[in-house]
Amino acid sequence: DVQMTQSPSSLSASVGDRVTITCRASQSVSRYLNWYQQRPEKAPKLLISAASNLQSGVPSRFSGSGSGTEFTLTISSLQPEDFGTYYCQQTYNTPPWTFGQGTKVEI
Amino acid sequence: EVRLVESGGGSVQPGGSLRLSCAASGFNFSTYSMNWVRQAPGKGLEWVSYISGSSSTIYYADSVKGRFTISRDNAKTSLYLQMNSLRAEDTAVYYCTRDFYGDYDYWGQGALVTVSP
Repeated sequence: DVQMTQSPSSLSASVGDRVTITCRASQSVSRYLNWYQQRPEKAPKLLISAASNLQSGVPSRFSGSGSGTEFTLTISSLQPEDFGTYYCQQTYNTPPWTFGQGTKVEI
Repeated sequence: EVRLVESGGGSVQPGGSLRLSCAASGFNFSTYSMNWVRQAPGKGLEWVSYISGSSSTIYYADSVKGRFTISRDNAKTSLYLQMNSLRAEDTAVYYCTRDFYGDYDYWGQGALVTVSP
């Protein structure tokens, strides 16, 4: 199984800060990497697919990059509504399609 | 508007069974693969099972293989998860998700399953 490791596990930042979350895969997943945001007590929401494709309606301050085994999610200017937990997920080849352990973002 | 609404959650004793349903609307259900994803209390997300639009391809996580069965009824635009031989470690919120070529682009609100004596 492909293991996904996110860093950091949590972070605290101020409004306007640039925030970067890293996701590393135990083997290459090409660009089959999605990012989700989960606010407390809510269902996850797809932010970015295929490593860098921003979903419709997602603010442009979110961006994704990477390929192979290393990926990053960047929030260029953190806003109060960006608090929550962010998960990466690989959907490469056959299942299981694994998630990272999550990165909790506190404002 | 795409909507996914789970139902059927509840409390059950270890070894018991439960059937989750997910009612879908707002899209051509039969043309989309679907998944179940779960989240134990205070924990991260875990993919559980996948079913293709025609039900021809089905996958399970090793942790539920042989105990859970995914199915769908395209006429009723509904997804199901039959859960047997439930264990304490199956306690979680279960989400149904629409699968757009590997992107889980819509999620339901979740159904809580609690397994305890």
